[in-house]
Amino acid sequence: KAGVTQTPRYLIKTRGQQVTLSCSPISGHRSVSWYQQTPGQGLQFLFEYFSETQRNKGNFPGRFSGRQFSNSRSEMNVSTLELGDSALYLCASSLVELEEQFFGPGTRLTVL
Amino acid sequence: AQKVTQAQTEISVVEKEDVTLDCVYETRDTTYYLFWYKQPPSGELVFLIRRNSFDEQNEISGRYSWNFQKSTSSFNFTITASQVVDSAVYFCALSEEYSGAGSYQLTFGKGTKLSVIP
Repeated sequence: KAGVTQTPRYLIKTRGQQVTLSCSPISGHRSVSWYQQTPGQGLQFLFEYFSETQRNKGNFPGRFSGRQFSNSRSEMNVSTLELGDSALYLCASSLVELEEQFFGPGTRLTVL
Repeated sequence: AQKVTQAQTEISVVEKEDVTLDCVYETRDTTYYLFWYKQPPSGELVFLIRRNSFDEQNEISGRYSWNFQKSTSSFNFTITASQVVDSAVYFCALSEEYSGAGSYQLTFGKGTKLSVIP
């Protein structure tokens, strides 16, 4: 069974640009969560999607948004990039809530 | 708000030594779940264990063992006879339900970087 895949693996953008990251969950998993990891703040929850609905969002500005498609694939978008958005963005999927979350390899975003 | 504290930022041990990683949590929920994840240099988080708040039995899996003590709000992780491949950052995490929406999010500790020296 294929694991969680995230594309692209690396991104370099400049301030003010926008970026879209993609996550394909494990087949059959309907819950997809996104996390941001930085050296200063650690791992922080961004949002969670289930059956194309955002059920939960962390404490991030409106520049961070996401969506989930009918095949459970998810995208997150960050608009008007800031230097502080440089981070590893991790996607996780699970079959049902609170089952073990399987994480993808992450997308490392660098904002210059 | 929930909180997870991993007081040990970095630990170095010599191969074959035992090592314990500490995790202390705070929550007002009566039902919650605790997790441990391993993050090797490749960056991908690897699930190690999930424990619910009603199950205080210690668990052993090979060289790994976990000690959950509700009375002290701790969920410690011990690696016996450490190996170089155990070198990684280990995260403790606590679940939190979002307003009864059936959605849960993980609150992570800052992580403990373990270096096992050959």
